[in-house]
Amino acid sequence: NAGVTQTPKFQVLKTGQSMTLQCAQDMNHEYMSWYRQDPGMGLRLIHYSVGAGITDQGEVPNGYNVSRSTTEDFPLRLLSAAPSQTSVYFCASSRARVNTGELFFGEGSRLTVL
Amino acid sequence: GESVGLHLPTLSVQEGDNSIINCAYSNSASDYFIWYKQESGKGPQFIIDIRSNMDKRQGQRVTVLLNKTVKHLSLQIAATQPGDSAVYFCAENPPPPGGGNKLTFGTGTQLKVEL
Repeated sequence: NAGVTQTPKFQVLKTGQSMTLQCAQDMNHEYMSWYRQDPGMGLRLIHYSVGAGITDQGEVPNGYNVSRSTTEDFPLRLLSAAPSQTSVYFCASSRARVNTGELFFGEGSRLTVL
Repeated sequence: GESVGLHLPTLSVQEGDNSIINCAYSNSASDYFIWYKQESGKGPQFIIDIRSNMDKRQGQRVTVLLNKTVKHLSLQIAATQPGDSAVYFCAENPPPPGGGNKLTFGTGTQLKVEL
């Protein structure tokens, strides 16, 4: 099993550009989520999904869109990138609710917005 | 709002000593707590979890203690090794509406193991 796979690992954007961070898991997990990690601020939840076709907002959803058309994939879209979105993004998945077991994280996608 | 915080941003220990990483939480209704380890350039990795109906849980070389009276969580690492050098995060799962399927992470403690 590959676990949670994120692409790309690194990306540089100009302000106003759009892009999609890809996340795929091969563990048949129902729950998937996106976090951003900034220095001194820990991990903050952007969006999450409890199953295909179901998504919900986390703590910092503004500027990001998600969809969950399949169990395996949970892409994160930036429609108009801003310098404040410069961060490291982590996708995570778990079997069901987050309090039923461990959350598996991907290796991260480092995004720089100029 | 509710938050999870850590007492010390950096902890340096000698190889072979025990490490204790502390975490304070503010939501007394949180029912699930987790510790994660993050090595440089990698995603966080699950270490151990504990539910609010327990006050102690042990794993391999790690022990988590939960003190609900003072809303304090600690991670103890026995016989610390160089491979333990990483940032350690605590996270809590409050009940809805603030929690449910959401985890709130602390800001992290950098553990440095000196040879």
